[in-house]
Amino acid sequence: DTGVSQNPRHKITKRGQNVTFRCDPISEHNRLYWYRQTLGQGPEFLTYFQNEAQLEKSRLLSDRFSAERPKGSFSTLEIQRTEQGDSAMYLCASSLAISGGNTIYFGEGSWLTVV
Amino acid sequence: AQKVTQAQTEISVVEKEDVTLDCVYETRDTTYYLFWYKQPPSGELVFLIRRNSFDEQNEISGRYSWNFQKSTSSFNFTITASQVVDSAVYFCALRSPGYALNFGKGTSLLVTP
Repeated sequence: DTGVSQNPRHKITKRGQNVTFRCDPISEHNRLYWYRQTLGQGPEFLTYFQNEAQLEKSRLLSDRFSAERPKGSFSTLEIQRTEQGDSAMYLCASSLAISGGNTIYFGEGSWLTVV
Repeated sequence: AQKVTQAQTEISVVEKEDVTLDCVYETRDTTYYLFWYKQPPSGELVFLIRRNSFDEQNEISGRYSWNFQKSTSSFNFTITASQVVDSAVYFCALRSPGYALNFGKGTSLLVTP
């Protein structure tokens, strides 16, 4: 399978614990995005990377959230001191950075439940 | 400001009916891109189509068709002869250069046998 891969697919954690999600993009894609989706809502942008550089962060990305893409390939999204409001699906996506627009391809998402 | 409105929260149709999902967008940019994604219960967002702002040609792909009208800022999606497998949440999204992909709240489509 050469699509965007995310793991774990599901995570249940106690409030206050840290969690980390991993994303492996489509291999030739240099842009990688993180989105969050809650029930009944569309995905909301969190952050994106071009190669290893984090170029934009949404105001939704609080200080407890950190994302990395150390070698411009896979990425991790860590949430520290989780809160119940962090319960959501975290979607990773990737694309090529080309002029004239690009199509963004999404993974299956990582569901987080904070209890 | 960029905004995508999908006024239909839920639609229920019987198999073989045609159904149109509405999408209205707002942007001040002259260059922008519109997308439709399908999200089945498994959660993955499946890309369906991308349309550039300078290309108002409608598109048909099998049972799917898209009607892009800049005059009304709409990018509607029609499924002809719907099937049970079409049941999913469908998202319309907008992107301008330099901005992130901005989604509507989605329309949940249920196709019953």
